[in-house]
Amino acid sequence: DGGITQSPKYLFRKEGQNVTLSCEQNLNHDAMYWYRQDPGQGLRLIYYSQIVNDFQKGDIAEGYSVSREKKESFPLTVTSAQKNPTAFYLCASSPRVLGGANQPQHFGDGTRLSIL
Amino acid sequence: SQKIEQNSEALNIQEGKTATLTCNYTNYSPAYLQWYRQDPGRGPVFLLLIRENEKEKRKERLKVTFDTTLKQSLFHITASQPADSATYLCALEAGYSTLTFGKGTMLLVSP
Repeated sequence: DGGITQSPKYLFRKEGQNVTLSCEQNLNHDAMYWYRQDPGQGLRLIYYSQIVNDFQKGDIAEGYSVSREKKESFPLTVTSAQKNPTAFYLCASSPRVLGGANQPQHFGDGTRLSIL
Repeated sequence: SQKIEQNSEALNIQEGKTATLTCNYTNYSPAYLQWYRQDPGRGPVFLLLIRENEKEKRKERLKVTFDTTLKQSLFHITASQPADSATYLCALEAGYSTLTFGKGTMLLVSP
């Protein structure tokens, strides 16, 4: 079955550590996205990528970094510069968008990050 | 600034009734609007997309309307079932290829 796999499901970080969240898709989608969701809040866009080797900052990119070396993979690193990293992180993908957000996004089941 | 408003209070309805959820927006002129369903601890699942030149769209028991004059979308679930209980998110295009999501409205359908 095609889909998006996020791992791990739960992740714990010590103060001052960087951690990397994995996101893999086998939908052959060009575009991939990372969102953060806090209780009672909507999804906020961290980074997105429309094509391999290219990515753009979203609304809350500070303290995060990404790479897009392969079409299937879009890992997110939460750096020690992110002072409030505890949240539910969601990865999504969509076919390449031409002229507006006219493609549905397919989501993984998220990674819940907590600080020890 | 751009803003999307969904009713933050949960909507409680009886099984078999029609649920109606509202999405209002300001300072947007979206060409597309999308609705998603999210269950606890899971990622959102795409339900419907409606274009600005479409007044209404249907899929099985779901119906979405899009009024660009009122800057509002309504999401209806007819003959609701307990399995429809979830949080429903609306999303608007926020710029080239990206979406801005509302905070969602929780729907609780009781037997």
